[in-house]
Amino acid sequence: ELKVEQNPLFLSMQEGKNYTIYCNYSTTSDRLYWYRQDPGKSLESLFVLLSNGAVKQEGRLMASLDTKARLSTLHITAAVHDLSATYFCAVARRTAGNKLTFGGGTRVLVKP
Amino acid sequence: GAGVSQTPSNKVTEKGKYVELRCDPISGHTALYWYRQSLGQGPEFLIYFQGTGAADDSGLPNDRFFAVRPEGSVSTLKIQRTERGDSAVYLCASRLDRTYEQYFGPGTRLTVT
Repeated sequence: ELKVEQNPLFLSMQEGKNYTIYCNYSTTSDRLYWYRQDPGKSLESLFVLLSNGAVKQEGRLMASLDTKARLSTLHITAAVHDLSATYFCAVARRTAGNKLTFGGGTRVLVKP
Repeated sequence: GAGVSQTPSNKVTEKGKYVELRCDPISGHTALYWYRQSLGQGPEFLIYFQGTGAADDSGLPNDRFFAVRPEGSVSTLKIQRTERGDSAVYLCASRLDRTYEQYFGPGTRLTVT
């Protein structure tokens, strides 16, 4: 059974500092997704990582993938209040119809 | 263009009642997924359609849950004899064939009293 674990579950950030969210998954997968969810809203796609060593960056967010370690990280640089949200990672396999298996989420609160 | 839409946005029902939740995918998307998100948790897979057929319904929790997609576009998730434990946000997503991005709808918040 495919399992996805994120840590930490909750992250209180100070503006201007750097932080990392970790995502581990239990079995080989074809792609790794990062989503953002604001309270009461749906999921917003941030990144899709397709291969070992893949790195993607958008603004203050950078995601990377190590398929050998079955680990992805989401790095936040110089946190700002607008980044307060819950972040989910998810994995998918082509042979399983690309259905997503999600981690439990990391709730991020950026304080001034 | 239009994204994935879901109706209703909120549904409050009494325990034991029947409910239907509707999903309108992005036009031309052959793959459609239903997920359920309980409070404070990540979404959990329920069922996946490729065209009109349910390709994988392994996530449906029990036989009270059923979903259809008769014409390969709109899908309806049906829940019989609702229980308080069914309260959650039900999310629908669609995907264009041979691509990997899933586009999520706004969800239906179901509350069973």
